[in-house]
Amino acid sequence: NAGVTQTPKFRILKIGQSMTLQCTQDMNHNYMYWYRQDPGMGLKLIYYSVGAGITDKGEVPNGYNVSRSTTEDFPLRLELAAPSQTSVYFCASSYSTVGGYEQYFGPGTRLTVT
Amino acid sequence: DAKTTQPNSMESNEEEPVHLPCNHSTISGTDYIHWYRQLPSQGPEYVIHGLTSNVNNRMASLAIAEDRKSSTLILHRATLRDAAVYYCILRDVDSGGSNYKLTFGKGTLLTVNP
Repeated sequence: NAGVTQTPKFRILKIGQSMTLQCTQDMNHNYMYWYRQDPGMGLKLIYYSVGAGITDKGEVPNGYNVSRSTTEDFPLRLELAAPSQTSVYFCASSYSTVGGYEQYFGPGTRLTVT
Repeated sequence: DAKTTQPNSMESNEEEPVHLPCNHSTISGTDYIHWYRQLPSQGPEYVIHGLTSNVNNRMASLAIAEDRKSSTLILHRATLRDAAVYYCILRDVDSGGSNYKLTFGKGTLLTVNP
């Protein structure tokens, strides 16, 4: 299994541009997540999904949109990029189990908005 | 949401045991204690989790206090590869009651000296 893959690895955007960060998992996980990590800080949840067609906001959803049309893919859309969105973005996935679960993370996308 | 408190940084020598503490005095009876770590320039990876009893796996051991208000992650023989930020996380349940999210703090930066 490849696990969780993210593309691109790096991207520089100009203010006002838009882009989509791609995330794919091949573990047939129901749950998927998008986090951002600013320098020296912990991760903050942007959006999450509990299955195809179902998404919900996390802690910092403003300026982002998501969709989940398949179990495998969970793209994150940035509209009108702003310097405050400069960050490293991590996608993750997990099973939903009663006794506890682990999240599997992708390698991240480093985004700079100038 | 239940919060955790960890030291900002700790230092260890290679091949010695490391005890990483975490305080979570407001933990609820159904909160699981999760530990993740993040190696430099990588996404977080799962280390271990537990509820009430001590837990062991191939990576580490988790010792949970009897009152569950604190826990300790134990690396039995630190290696240079264990240098990372270690996050102690309590699993949050959102308003729906069935979707479990992880809230990352700043964690503990572990330095391993050769």
